[in-house]
Amino acid sequence: NAGVTQTPKFQVLKTGQSMTLQCAQDMNHNSMYWYRQDPGMGLRLIYYSASEGTTDKGEVPNGYNVSRLNKREFSLRLESAAPSQTSVYFCASSIDRGGSSQFFGPGTRLTVL
Amino acid sequence: DQQVKQNSPSLSVQEGRISILNCDYTNSMFDYFLWYKKYPAEGPTFLISISSIKDKNEDGRFTVFLNKSAKHLSLHIVPSQPGDSAVYFCAASVAWGQNFVFGPGTRLSVLP
Repeated sequence: NAGVTQTPKFQVLKTGQSMTLQCAQDMNHNSMYWYRQDPGMGLRLIYYSASEGTTDKGEVPNGYNVSRLNKREFSLRLESAAPSQTSVYFCASSIDRGGSSQFFGPGTRLTVL
Repeated sequence: DQQVKQNSPSLSVQEGRISILNCDYTNSMFDYFLWYKKYPAEGPTFLISISSIKDKNEDGRFTVFLNKSAKHLSLHIVPSQPGDSAVYFCAASVAWGQNFVFGPGTRLSVLP
């Protein structure tokens, strides 16, 4: 039972490059989330998926797209990376939208040069 | 403007003593609050929650206090242990099931 897994763990991109961050959970959770964490700031919600087949914008969605591929997987895509997207990205899942049940992955550290 | 503030970026406490981590918020509509704990190179893990119908919630060594009139909550850890050394995030939402707003975190160091 791996919980929430994220790939890759680290990534360096050049400005303008694209990439997809992968997230998978094996807990049969309905809701999944993408956050970013920057120094001196809390986690900020980028996008979430309340249930399979739905996605919604969070607090900071600009520059990102998401896909809820199936119940297990929720990917985050950067179409044209910018230095402002240098951050640590966390995926999380919960059985429903209740916050106390959110389980987080280990994070992806992304640097955009 | 941050809606959830943790004004102490760091805190050091002796093992066995009490650790008190503070969190202030500006949105009076916030109704449900969480604390998360985060170790380096790991994702945050849920610690304890409280809703506005209560002013205290206890789970083992961890107690959260809520003062709605002051828009303030605090996390007490008694007794503090070296394994409690981590970053602690406060988070708030306007209702159960709604998106959470996180504070910037407080790094707690428990010294042996």
